[in-house]
Amino acid sequence: DAGVTQSPTHLIKTRGQQVTLRCSPKSGHDTVSWYQQALGQGPQFIFQYYEEEERQRGNFPDRFSGHQFPNYSSELNVNALLLGDSALYLCASSRLAGIYEQYFGPGTRLTVT
Amino acid sequence: AQKVTQAQTEISVVEKEDVTLDCVYETRDTTYYLFWYKQPPSGELVFLIRRNSFDEQNEISGRYSWNFQKSTSSFNFTITASQVVDSAVYFCALSDRGSTLGRLYFGRGTQLTVWP
Repeated sequence: DAGVTQSPTHLIKTRGQQVTLRCSPKSGHDTVSWYQQALGQGPQFIFQYYEEEERQRGNFPDRFSGHQFPNYSSELNVNALLLGDSALYLCASSRLAGIYEQYFGPGTRLTVT
Repeated sequence: AQKVTQAQTEISVVEKEDVTLDCVYETRDTTYYLFWYKQPPSGELVFLIRRNSFDEQNEISGRYSWNFQKSTSSFNFTITASQVVDSAVYFCALSDRGSTLGRLYFGRGTQLTVWP
C-alpha cells in the first residue's frame, strides 16, 4: 500500500518564477492538505482540498493556489516566487479530515534564489 | 484562538535514559484532537498518536507513552529507554472543531538528540 507521494523532491527556482508541486494521497484517502515548513519551524497550514474544492485556507496570499483532481491527487502552485517562499512543502492526506489522522508525504524542498 | 506550545527547543540525552517532551495547547472548543508526529532528518512527518478531548486515559505503545491532562491543557510524550534511532524533531499538533476538516496547528517542535 503506497503512502503519500510528492514530486519533485527538490526544486530550485529564481525569484519571480512560478512553481507547481504535486501530491498523490494514500490509497483510500480523499482529502489533501498542504503545509509550508520553514527551517526550524513547525508546519504552517496553507489550504485543504476535499471533493475537488478548497475547503479551508490558512494565512497565505493568493499567490498560493491549488487544485484537486478527480483521482484525489493535488497540485500546489506558487506564483511570483519570493525568497521567503523557500521551505519544505508537505502534503498530507486523510479520510474525512477532522475525524481521522493525517499522513504526510516526504515533502518537496523548494529553494528560491 | 488555537495555539500549541512546545517550550523545549532542544533536548539531549544519553541512550537508555527516559525523556519527556512537553506540549501545552490552547483552544476554546470542547471537542478537539491532539497529535504527536516525529520528523527524522529525511523530512517526512511520521504519525505517532491521535487523542480526542473526551479520552483522558493515558496510552502506552512499546517504549512510548502519552499523558493527557485537560486540567493543565497538556499532552506530554515520554520515551522510555531512549535509543539513538529516536533522534528526530517531535511535533505536537492540535485540530479542533473550529477548524473543520482537520486543519492542524503545530508547535515549533522539540529536537531530540540521543547519544550512544
